[in-house]
Amino acid sequence: AQKITQTQPGMFVQEKEAVTLDCTYDTSDPSYGLFWYKQPSSGEMIFLIYQGSYDQQNATEGRYSLNFQKARKSANLVISASQLGDSAMYFCAMRERGTGFQKLVFGTGTRLLVSP
Amino acid sequence: EAGVAQSPRYKIIEKRQSVAFWCNPISGHATLYWYQQILGQGPKLLIQFQNNGVVDDSQLPKDRFSAERLKGVDSTLKIQPAKLEDSAVYLCASSLDLETSGKLFFGSGTQLSVL
Repeated sequence: AQKITQTQPGMFVQEKEAVTLDCTYDTSDPSYGLFWYKQPSSGEMIFLIYQGSYDQQNATEGRYSLNFQKARKSANLVISASQLGDSAMYFCAMRERGTGFQKLVFGTGTRLLVSP
Repeated sequence: EAGVAQSPRYKIIEKRQSVAFWCNPISGHATLYWYQQILGQGPKLLIQFQNNGVVDDSQLPKDRFSAERLKGVDSTLKIQPAKLEDSAVYLCASSLDLETSGKLFFGSGTQLSVL
């Protein structure tokens, strides 16, 4: 079963507008973490934002915010005031416990294209 | 602060040949990861080291892939013999601590093409 599901293969947004990238997850572990990473064409994965399962507030990092709805098991990324440099692949990931140590499992990603 | 270093950046080999990738993590990071990212997919964890010990290699095809992390710092990932389906980007990452925020720092990856 998919642990992390990103149903949007591609999204388009105009510069300066906000965009929401969807992510749903599946876990029975009460303690988990959710992450979003950006992968530009250069290939490097860049950490954007983190949400812990026990965090009361939704995480925010500058123009990025995470809309965490625990009951629905969703962790959508909201990018406000999109910029051309935001064009990239975006991956949602979940920290889960492996063989005694935590590991990160990634979704299939959403390609975001920001147009002028 | 220097980031995660990987080499080579690109590699092209023929099937059945062998290849090795090198990774130098951020200084002080105890945990090192190798991920395989096939085109159009998310990264898949191959192996995870804590210092110089393997803590998870459940998705590593051990008949052809091997990895080591000598002295708990640099790491090498080897494929021998390579198959066509091994064509992918191999990403190395390191982290100080995965228990709290636990963000991973990634290198730029090695793009492998197997012909």
